[in-house]
Amino acid sequence: EVQLVESGGGLVQPGESLRLSCAASGFTFSDYWMSWIRQTPGKGLEWVAQIKQDGSEKYYVDSVKGRFTVSRDNAKSSLYLQMDSLRVDDTAVYYCSSGTSHWGQGTLVTVSS
Amino acid sequence: DVVMTQSPLTLPVTLGQPASISCRSSQSLLYSDGNTLLMWFHQRPGRSPRRLIYNIFNRDSGVPDRFSGSGSGTDFTLRISRVEAEDVGVYYCMQYIRWPHTFGQGTNLEIK
Repeated sequence: EVQLVESGGGLVQPGESLRLSCAASGFTFSDYWMSWIRQTPGKGLEWVAQIKQDGSEKYYVDSVKGRFTVSRDNAKSSLYLQMDSLRVDDTAVYYCSSGTSHWGQGTLVTVSS
Repeated sequence: DVVMTQSPLTLPVTLGQPASISCRSSQSLLYSDGNTLLMWFHQRPGRSPRRLIYNIFNRDSGVPDRFSGSGSGTDFTLRISRVEAEDVGVYYCMQYIRWPHTFGQGTNLEIK
């Protein structure tokens, strides 16, 4: 059974950093593009970042370019999202996804002073 | 960015009756390999989104055959032949032909 478990969310102040992790199991992690998607009540679903199987290609939505970094460790079947210079509008539930077919349960990131 | 527009935004349906959700993209989603890169997701209250359909009409494993997708180019439809109680929630279309992948606003299906 495919499982994706996000962790690392929490409450931070604007300008601070946070690192999200996603532990994958039940499939061959290194075979899949992996993604981070976030959801807010106001803006709905937004595809934040995506990384190729070997990490050689990465894509970011414009609003996080230069602030967020996606990475992966295929040996550990893990996906990461380093979030720096966080802003209030980064507040959301963050999901990891394998390809597009499976999603984790999400982790809540709240940016507030 | 490719803009995805869904209608209606709220869909009250009687149990056992059909339902239909429309999705329109601002650009063609037809890829060079002949596939059209449009997906549908369902999100139950308090749960993560679940993919139902990819490439317009291909159902994911475990998705009941009362769900069907159709369309081409820029206009797409998700149909439920007979709505069941477990179908409540929000339905999203999503394009993945261009980065960033983009979602529609969502259609909230509720039981009358």
